Amino acid sequence: DGGITQSPKYLFRKEGQNVTLSCEQNLNHDAMYWYRQDPGQGLRLIYYSQIVNDFQKGDIAEGYSVSREKKESFPLTVTSAQKNPTAFYLCASSIGIDTQYFGPGTRLTVL
Amino acid sequence: GIQVEQSPPDLILQEGANSTLRCNFSDSVNNLQWFHQNPWGQLINLFYIPSGTKQNGRLSATTVATERYSLLYISSSQTTDSGVYFCAVEYGGNQFYFGTGTSLTVIP
Repeated sequence: DGGITQSPKYLFRKEGQNVTLSCEQNLNHDAMYWYRQDPGQGLRLIYYSQIVNDFQKGDIAEGYSVSREKKESFPLTVTSAQKNPTAFYLCASSIGIDTQYFGPGTRLTVL
Repeated sequence: GIQVEQSPPDLILQEGANSTLRCNFSDSVNNLQWFHQNPWGQLINLFYIPSGTKQNGRLSATTVATERYSLLYISSSQTTDSGVYFCAVEYGGNQFYFGTGTSLTVIP
């Protein structure tokens, strides 16, 4: 089946640790996105990538890093510099700037 | 930046009722989408509607770009319609900005 997968579904992190969230798509989409959602809030853009080996910062990129070495994969690293990382993280992909398709999300909790 | 406001923030409906959700945005946009987020967090794209009207079953949407708003209509609501509805606008090139959503609860 075509779609977007994210792993893990739940992730627990100790303060000071870096963690990497996985996002994979087999839709052959060029563009991929990472969003953060806090309780009762809308989604905010962290990073996006329009093409392999290129990515751009969104509004809340501080404390996060990404890579886009393959078209299918867009992993997000939450670094220790992110002061309040507990949130729901959603990955999306699209053809150009058209309709976005979302993965099921990863819930990150800092202990 | 652009402001995206949705109303009402919360809505409770009896099964079978109709409803209208509104999305206002503060500047001209290139693209607008409506999403439904189910209770497990999954976001499903409902409409890609930068302008005009579209219908899909019991749902329809209208965007009046010149007046900077979009409406989502839900007719004959069902309990499975419960969740949060978001509008998102594409502004400033390649970035989507989401509203804070309308939380809908449909009671049997």
